[in-house]
Amino acid sequence: DIQMTQSPSTLSASVGDRVTITCRASQSISNWLAWYQQKPGKAPKLLIYKASTLESGVPSRFSGSASGTEFTLTISSLQPGDFATYYCQQYSNYYTFGQGTKLEIK
Amino acid sequence: QITLKESGPTLVKPTQTLTLTCTFSGFSLSTSGLGVGWIRQPPGKALEWLALIYWDDDKRYNSSLKSRLTITKDTSKNQVVLTMTNMDPVDTATYYCARKVFCGSTRCFGSGGFDYWGQGTLVAVSS
Repeated sequence: DIQMTQSPSTLSASVGDRVTITCRASQSISNWLAWYQQKPGKAPKLLIYKASTLESGVPSRFSGSASGTEFTLTISSLQPGDFATYYCQQYSNYYTFGQGTKLEIK
Repeated sequence: QITLKESGPTLVKPTQTLTLTCTFSGFSLSTSGLGVGWIRQPPGKALEWLALIYWDDDKRYNSSLKSRLTITKDTSKNQVVLTMTNMDPVDTATYYCARKVFCGSTRCFGSGGFDYWGQGTLVAVSS
């Protein structure tokens, strides 16, 4: 089974900051990776798929990139509504989520 | 407008079988490329994919839970049903269903991600 390891587990930042969340796959998944945002008590929301393609309606301050088995989600300028938990998910071989990164207000 | 909604018991006893139904609208599971999956989330913990069924009746299961899971679809009713046997308190979680569009190296119908989700249903396992 493919394992997905996210870092950090928690990230403290301020409005306007640029932040990066990393996700590493235990083996090659090509670019078959998605990122989700989840707010408390709500279902996850798809942000990015195929590692770097923005889902329709997602603000352009969100971006994704890939290098080998390492993937990053970057938020260029944090907005108040961006404080949430973020998950990566591979879909190369079945489906595995990372353990999540909680983005909190500093 | 695409919507999904989970339904089922809120409380089950240990060793019982859980049956959850996902009722959806705005798309059909007879459409090529579409699937519906189940994902759960224990309180305060991460998401865990459980099972998924595609338009062509291709069924996929989490390998660590495969012996306990069954997923079926009723295309005429726009429903997907998940059964999980031998429930245990560690299975206490919010259970989500979500739509998935197939995308792979040989063919791709869309994003490949879980693009529409239900609101989730909390299932507690306790005697």
